Amino acid sequence: GDSVTQMEGPVTLSEEAFLTINCTYTATGYPSLFWYVQYPGEGLQLLLKATKADDKGSNKGFEATYRKETTSFHLEKGSVQVSDSAVYFCALSAQATGNQFYFGTGTSLTVIP
Amino acid sequence: EAQVTQNPRYLITVTGKKLTVTCSQNMNHEYMSWYRQDPGLGLRQIYYSMNVEVTDKGDVPEGYKVSRKEKRNFPLILESPSPNQTSLYFCASGVRGREKLFFGSGTQLSVL
Repeated sequence: GDSVTQMEGPVTLSEEAFLTINCTYTATGYPSLFWYVQYPGEGLQLLLKATKADDKGSNKGFEATYRKETTSFHLEKGSVQVSDSAVYFCALSAQATGNQFYFGTGTSLTVIP
Repeated sequence: EAQVTQNPRYLITVTGKKLTVTCSQNMNHEYMSWYRQDPGLGLRQIYYSMNVEVTDKGDVPEGYKVSRKEKRNFPLILESPSPNQTSLYFCASGVRGREKLFFGSGTQLSVL
């Protein structure tokens, strides 16, 4: 079945460091791919998305490119800030599987000054 | 303000005592869903609904019920809660199943 695998955490970085959180997926058909972010005590909110191969989603300095050949959607940011500390979830949704959303296990990021 | 509202925010109950967690959205979304979040397991979908009177099971539906009598409301019902249903629950809604989801703030449930 459809699934998402993302890198284990937690991840701790110094401010201004480069961030990569890996995400790979298995899906029937052509899914849409998402990154959601969860700040402490809050629900998830959409960070970025891509709906077809080679699309690049971007928001708040974060980027991810939909790579069909490697079934990946890695999240990157060139220079993280303390305010980026949160849990990040990779997710997919595919019409072939009834539009259910499948989430990864989440990666906790802590940025230290 | 566009939002998904869940109540209660925190709930402590005992095994076997029926409970309902409410979810309401004010964005006229067709799609609504429930998730549970557990450490190391991420978010797992319990039930979802593509429209009024249409509901489908997600990955972990056992022990839960839902109903969608109105477009804005999608309550989650635990008829006989058990300790393994202790979890953080989120309701979400969206325009269509593949589009952006809007999440509620969560309900932390403890079943003793």
